[in-house]
Amino acid sequence: EIVLTQSPGTLSLSPGERATLSCRASQSVGGTYLAWYQHKAGQAPRLLIYGASSRATGIPDRFSGSGAGTDFTLTISRLEPEDFAVYYCQQYGTSPRTFGQGTKLDIK
Amino acid sequence: EVQLVESGGSLVQPGGSLRLSCAASGFTFSTYWMHWVRQAPGKGLVWVSRINSDGRTTTYADSVKGRFTISRDNAKNTLYLQMNSLRAEDTAVYYCARPDYGFDYWGQGTLVTVSS
Repeated sequence: EIVLTQSPGTLSLSPGERATLSCRASQSVGGTYLAWYQHKAGQAPRLLIYGASSRATGIPDRFSGSGAGTDFTLTISRLEPEDFAVYYCQQYGTSPRTFGQGTKLDIK
Repeated sequence: EVQLVESGGSLVQPGGSLRLSCAASGFTFSTYWMHWVRQAPGKGLVWVSRINSDGRTTTYADSVKGRFTISRDNAKNTLYLQMNSLRAEDTAVYYCARPDYGFDYWGQGTLVTVSS
């Protein structure tokens, strides 16, 4: 199975700053079958990015994704208060679909 | 509006059984594969199982293989997860999710606690 490693584990930033989250795969993710999710406690995870760089419906353009193969990045250009949450990457090109361990984005 | 609503979670003793349900609405349920994903307390998201649109093809994570059974009733627009021989490490919030370029819709989750 493909192992996804996210870094950093925790990222402490202030509103208005830029956030860069990394996701590295143990082997190539078939094409760009990589998604990013935002997860807040007590809520359902929310799909942000699919296909490594396509924004899901209703996702603000401050969220962007990039990468291919084994290295992927989620960038939040200017943090809003509601962006502080846990972020997961997931590959869906190979079964089983696997998630990274998550990056917690908290307020500095 | 697409909705996924899980139910059936509760406190169960080790070795016990539980059946989770996920009621789907707002889309043509019978044309989609469906998945279960879980999150143990303080941990990350972990994929559990999937089933194809007609229910004939299923896949499981190694951690639940032989103990959990995924199924669906397309006439009732409902997905199920039968969980047997439950262990403490199965304690988690269980989500059903619809796959469409990633998981585009998720339920709110149902809590399963395995404890004596």
